[in-house]
Amino acid sequence: DAGVTQSPTHLIKTRGQQVTLRCSPKSGHDTVSWYQQALGQGPQFIFQYYEEEERQRGNFPDRFSGHQFPNYSSELNVNALLLGDSALYLCASSLTASWGNQPQHFGDGTRLSIL
Amino acid sequence: DAKTTQPTSMDCAEGRAANLPCNHSTISGNEYVYWYRQIHSQGPQYIIHGLKNNETNEMASLIITEDRKSSTLILPHATLRDTAVYYCIVRVESTGNQFYFGTGTSLTVIP
Repeated sequence: DAGVTQSPTHLIKTRGQQVTLRCSPKSGHDTVSWYQQALGQGPQFIFQYYEEEERQRGNFPDRFSGHQFPNYSSELNVNALLLGDSALYLCASSLTASWGNQPQHFGDGTRLSIL
Repeated sequence: DAKTTQPTSMDCAEGRAANLPCNHSTISGNEYVYWYRQIHSQGPQYIIHGLKNNETNEMASLIITEDRKSSTLILPHATLRDTAVYYCIVRVESTGNQFYFGTGTSLTVIP
């Protein structure tokens, strides 16, 4: 039973470019959340997708957008990349959007470096 | 936005119990306490969670005080592989049960 998988594992971009990161949730999970983790910091919540809609959003600009597909997989898109966007991007999946008694399971992330 | 307070770092001797404290004085009645750990270059790994009662699984035990304002994660027999950053998280109901990570406790298990 595969856990949460993310691709690619590493990515290098330059300022101003656009990037798309991908996530496949754990089997049976229908909710996907995205986090940004800067070096030495804890993960920061970006947004959550459930039933192909953005349900919750953290304090991130509109340059960060996402999508969820009918098979529950998800993409994170970042436009007009800034040096400060360099981070580990984590995807987490869970069952059902709002139940507090459901743990989220994380992938190992995509390491994005902006030059 | 983090709703918890943890010590920045701790050491523990290999084979001894590691007790990691967490304060969450603003927790509401139906908000869960979660513990995750993160080993360098990996995603956070779920350990355990609880609401009011103490919980135990194959990885750890979670002790929650009666007033629910603090909790302790116990790793009964720490090994070198338990060296990691441990995050205590309160899942905030008013924000759709999102996870708000702090900076966690860096646990070093010493041989």
